[in-house]
Amino acid sequence: QKEVEQDPGPLSVPEGAIVSLNCTYSNSAFQYFMWYRQYSRKGPELLMYTYSSGNKEDGRFTAQVDKSSKYISLFIRDSQPSDSATYLCAMSAYNTDKLIFGTGTRLQVFP
Amino acid sequence: ETGVTQSPTHLIKTRGQQVTLRCSSQSGHNTVSWYQQALGQGPQFIFQYYREEENGRGNFPPRFSGLQFPNYSSELNVNALELDDSALYLCASSLQGAKNIQYFGAGTRLSVL
Repeated sequence: QKEVEQDPGPLSVPEGAIVSLNCTYSNSAFQYFMWYRQYSRKGPELLMYTYSSGNKEDGRFTAQVDKSSKYISLFIRDSQPSDSATYLCAMSAYNTDKLIFGTGTRLQVFP
Repeated sequence: ETGVTQSPTHLIKTRGQQVTLRCSSQSGHNTVSWYQQALGQGPQFIFQYYREEENGRGNFPPRFSGLQFPNYSSELNVNALELDDSALYLCASSLQGAKNIQYFGAGTRLSVL
């Protein structure tokens, strides 16, 4: 079993829809939770990070962490075609060296 | 502010050869991590460098080695290339006090024939 599970998609939605992306994990030591966006043939771009549990909002993006269920989510409101990319969740324990990534979910937003 | 830069963008090598990839960290960042991303997969941690020393290593064989220089830039060296080494190699930089928060470069795409 992988430490971090993420549905690879693809997830196809119309422009303006609310998108929900999710990851589950098994390691209770994880404290940092990140979401990266990766366009085709580019490096991952850090969208948001959260320490421990709770919600964090940044513009159209909201990240949620539920440590009791070992489940994290990224919501995208008013999705745009420019949001079409692969979204990677990543996690780490406190002040460790490595990030553990999910496989990524490919999102397509059509006009 | 200067982001993470990697060179070269693409490389084609043959099995058994050696390769060196380069990374310049984001301005002010003193910690560099390297990841391997196979097609359709998430990045896998190779190792991290801080103060010119290896600070942690993932499940990669010794033929993967690295260096960090006094200006915090870094190199990834891979010896005796294998076909399975074909991947996108990503460099990420961070501050030692917040090394979980990592910012990535665009990567070097390595093809081994």
